Amino acid sequence: QVQLVESGGGVVQPGRSLTLSCAASGFTFRSYVMHWVRQAPDKGLEWVAVISSEGGDKYYADSVRGRFTISRDNSRDTLYLQMNSLRLEDTAVYYCARQGVLSGTHWFDPWGQGTLVTVSS
Amino acid sequence: EIVMTQSPATLSVSPGEGATLSCRASQSVNSNLAWYQQKPGQAPRLLIYGASTRATGIPARFSGSGSGTEFTLTISSLQFEDFAVYYCQQYNTWWTFGQGTKVEIK
Repeated sequence: QVQLVESGGGVVQPGRSLTLSCAASGFTFRSYVMHWVRQAPDKGLEWVAVISSEGGDKYYADSVRGRFTISRDNSRDTLYLQMNSLRLEDTAVYYCARQGVLSGTHWFDPWGQGTLVTVSS
Repeated sequence: EIVMTQSPATLSVSPGEGATLSCRASQSVNSNLAWYQQKPGQAPRLLIYGASTRATGIPARFSGSGSGTEFTLTISSLQFEDFAVYYCQQYNTWWTFGQGTKVEIK
């Protein structure tokens, strides 16, 4: 079945870096646009970044642009999020999510189970 | 940025009763609107896309309506497993979410 599994979360000090991974299975990963979405503790959902199916196009939320980098390895069916210069406000559960493959199907389905990133001194 | 506003923040409903959740966009998103359900400790799950189309496996008691700036999610007869937080999301211009509506047991 279609599955997304995030990993790499943990506790990190402000200003440090962390890289998240999202392993995909059950579908043709290289055909899909992929996203990262985060959720701060007891808060709502915030879109973070998107990458095209081949990895050439990347876009970011204003809150992370210049600090985070989304990438993918289609040979490994894996999505990444490199997070630099982490701030306290980056503390959140980070989810990867798949976008629909057809034109106009820009909703997210499915989502991974999430990985918690805690930025704390 | 398109701002999505959901109301109410919390809805108290008895099992078996119906519930109506609202979502308003700060500018038109056409029918590019999705609804997600999130239970504690779980990832969001897609319920509705295209404002009114149920995702695969979603029970018929969930229905969506609206277009432009006003949208509604209706749950016709709440089951215990429906008590959760519901988010709307526009995907017309980038992606933004509402702040969520918590549906709790009355």
